[in-house]
Amino acid sequence: EIVMTQSPATLSVSLGERATLSCRASQSVSSNLAWYQQKPGQAPRLLIYDASTRATGVPARFSGSGSGTEFTLTISSLQSEDFAVYYCQQYNNWPPLTFGGGTKVEIK
Amino acid sequence: QLQLQESGPGLVKPSETLSLTCSVSGGSISSSSDFWAWIRQRPGKGQEWIGSIYFSGSTYYNPSLKTRVSISVDTSKDHFSLKLSSATAADTAIYYCARQSGDYGAYYFDYWGQGILVTVSS
Repeated sequence: EIVMTQSPATLSVSLGERATLSCRASQSVSSNLAWYQQKPGQAPRLLIYDASTRATGVPARFSGSGSGTEFTLTISSLQSEDFAVYYCQQYNNWPPLTFGGGTKVEIK
Repeated sequence: QLQLQESGPGLVKPSETLSLTCSVSGGSISSSSDFWAWIRQRPGKGQEWIGSIYFSGSTYYNPSLKTRVSISVDTSKDHFSLKLSSATAADTAIYYCARQSGDYGAYYFDYWGQGILVTVSS
């Protein structure tokens, strides 16, 4: 099983600032990595797939990078609606499909 | 716009079977090369993939749940179902159904249902 590790667990950011979230895989997942955003009481929403491709309707301030075992989600300028929990997920080698533990982005 | 909706009992007794259905609208389960999946989120925790099914009926399960899980599909009704046997309190979670899109064996979750809370308690 591929273990996904996200850091930090909590990220405190001010409005308008840049946020950088990390995700590490226990073995290479090539570029088969997705990022999801989850707000309280809602289902996760796909933001990024194939490590760097934005899903339909996702604002350009969200960008993904990386390949192999190291990945980054960057939010260039935090908006109020971006405060949420973000999960990475690998789909290179399954079953099982595995998620990271999440990074909570909160207001500083 | 594709929509998925979970349905089923919100309360299940310990040792009984948890059964949920996901209804798909705005598209057909059998019209594409996608998989259809169940994912759960235990209270205060992250996401756990339970299993996936292809419209043809091929299934893939999380090894940690494999002995208790069964996923089936009814293409005539555009829905797929989850059965988790011998439920315990540890199965209390929000259960989501989702579409898995992609190709060449690499599939991510692009559409999700709103989720349904299932509590296992006597």
